[in-house]
Amino acid sequence: DAGITQSPRHKVTETGTPVTLRCHQTENHRYMYWYRQDPGHGLRLIHYSYGVKDTDKGEVSDGYSVSRSKTEDFLLTLESATSSQTSVYFCAISEGGYEQYFGPGTRLTVT
Amino acid sequence: AQSVSQHNHHVILSEAASLELGCNYSYGGTVNLFWYVQYPGQHLQLLLKYFSGDPLVKGIKGFEAEFIKSKFSFNLRKPSVQWSDTAEYFCAVKGTGGFKTIFGAGTRLFVKA
Repeated sequence: DAGITQSPRHKVTETGTPVTLRCHQTENHRYMYWYRQDPGHGLRLIHYSYGVKDTDKGEVSDGYSVSRSKTEDFLLTLESATSSQTSVYFCAISEGGYEQYFGPGTRLTVT
Repeated sequence: AQSVSQHNHHVILSEAASLELGCNYSYGGTVNLFWYVQYPGQHLQLLLKYFSGDPLVKGIKGFEAEFIKSKFSFNLRKPSVQWSDTAEYFCAVKGTGGFKTIFGAGTRLFVKA
């Protein structure tokens, strides 16, 4: 398995609170991605990064921001969590933008 | 718009039955194609991939997929499924010039022992 960790693995938070999810890789891959997985929707891309400090929006970026200050870390922030952001969040990495390797996921519940 | 369509949302098979999961994509250009598998409680793992060459691609655990360019399809097959193949399967497409991948909604496969 690729060296990808996500933290926390589980989180319950209240509506309106900020939340930050962390993805850490030890593979030195250039590309990093944040997805959310919801039943019936598969994986939907939130944000991605193609290098340190180089990020761009995916298809469901509203309400989310990201930062990548080091190659190995990619942070996803929910500025003010809403119930619609209850989901499982996966980080993925890729070298050359080809196949992706996924982290173990973070289950986030917003009450 | 780019999209991936997986025809079956839920499939139930008995052990030793043959499997075919449909995948069609919409993309204006050359593509790389993937099938990923997610076992219960786990993260996605690559099952197989197509970049170029022989349109019949073999992956891990006896899976294969055929790329039919004229039909914009990349169907997944396995001659004889096992109980351990119970999982969710995702088809995905990426344009060869980019690095964003579009995933289908997934197909949940349940194999009865």
